[in-house]
Formats: sequence, structure tokens, C-alpha cells
Amino acid sequence: KNEVEQSPQNLTAQEGEFITINCSYSVGISALHWLQQHPGGGIVSLFMLSSGKKKHGRLIATINIQEKHSSLHITASHPRDSAVYICAVRSSWSQGNLIFGKGTKLSVKP
Amino acid sequence: DAGVIQSPRHEVTEMGQEVTLRCKPISGHDYLFWYRQTMMRGLELLIYFNNNVPIDDSGMPEDRFSAKMPNASFSTLKIQPSEPRDSAVYFCASSWGRTNEQFFGPGTRLTVL
Repeated sequence: KNEVEQSPQNLTAQEGEFITINCSYSVGISALHWLQQHPGGGIVSLFMLSSGKKKHGRLIATINIQEKHSSLHITASHPRDSAVYICAVRSSWSQGNLIFGKGTKLSVKP
Repeated sequence: DAGVIQSPRHEVTEMGQEVTLRCKPISGHDYLFWYRQTMMRGLELLIYFNNNVPIDDSGMPEDRFSAKMPNASFSTLKIQPSEPRDSAVYFCASSWGRTNEQFFGPGTRLTVL
């Protein structure tokens, strides 16, 4: 079983829809990251959080440490949000290296 | 700052050849990471450096892989000899501090025939 599981693997939405991507993990963590990988391949860090909620524009990330679960929400989705969203956790025991989920491929149709 | 720079962006080589990937981190960053991304396994950490010193190379798949960081502005990842299963996208990332946000380069797409 992977230590970081994301769902869904693929997601297609219509422009304007509210989108939720989920991340569950099985190890103790000190922080969780959400990354965005553009169709061209570049990777950008969106959020780093260890508790509660963070918001940046139309993106909201939440984490529940007790349930070992995080969600990434996109409000009023737009075709330019089409990308792969990757969840990564910083393990609190494995020297703190990042452990990555397989990613969720999001496609937003106009 | 130009961000993390990687070269080449694409590399196609034949099995058995030596491959060298290059990375220039963001100036002032003291940590440099090499990752490999495949469809099957996603992103995996290969090795990371702190102040040019290799700290954790447990992700390096085998002796065919080696990495160096001769100075604060340059690192290389070498595969010798290359094999088709090494085909992947290799990312370099840098950060200021161990646990802060990492900035990724554009990646090198390696194809070994």
C-alpha cells in the first residue's frame, strides 16, 4: 500500500465547477505539500501546511491531522486549472524526506 | 532570479551510453534535490545535498547512478551505463532550509533506447 494515496486519479470538470481532490496518508507527518504540475511538465508548489486551512486565490487546502487526510479545493474552476495536482507529505520519521502521491490529473472543459 | 535551471531539457540516448544531467539551483539556496518521475512510481527522491555535501543518497537506484555538487551553483546527475528502464523525467529542486518550499526546475526528459 502506498504511503500517500490520492483520489480521484483523473477528474474532468466543466468550467465554473467546484473541485475537490483528496489525499490520505498513512505515516506521521510534520507537513503536507500540494504541488501543481503543468501540462508542459513544470512543477510549482501551491501550499505547505501542517494544520488547519490555507487559501490562495481560488485554491483552498485543508488538513485533518487526526484523520490523516487533506483536501485541495478549487472554486470557480477554469480551463487554465487543468494540470496534475500532487500531494506530498514530509514524514516525521524518514529523515523528513518528501513522499509523493501519484497525482490527480484534472481537466477543466470550457 | 531565473529559477532552477536544468539542461538538457530532452535527452535521447542508446543503451549503454553515459548520460549527464545538469542543474543550477537558485542562488542562495542551501539544499538541492534530485528527483525522478515515472508513470508507474510518480516522483521519487534520488539524492539531496546540503551546502554541496550529499546527505541522503538512499534513493539512488544502483551504482550506475552518481551525483556531484562541486560548488553551490552546479550539480550533475550521471548515469553510466544507461538502460531503457532509466527513461523518465528527472527534476532538480532547491530550497532555503531543509523543510521550506522547494523550487523545481523544468526537468530533463530522458529516453534510453
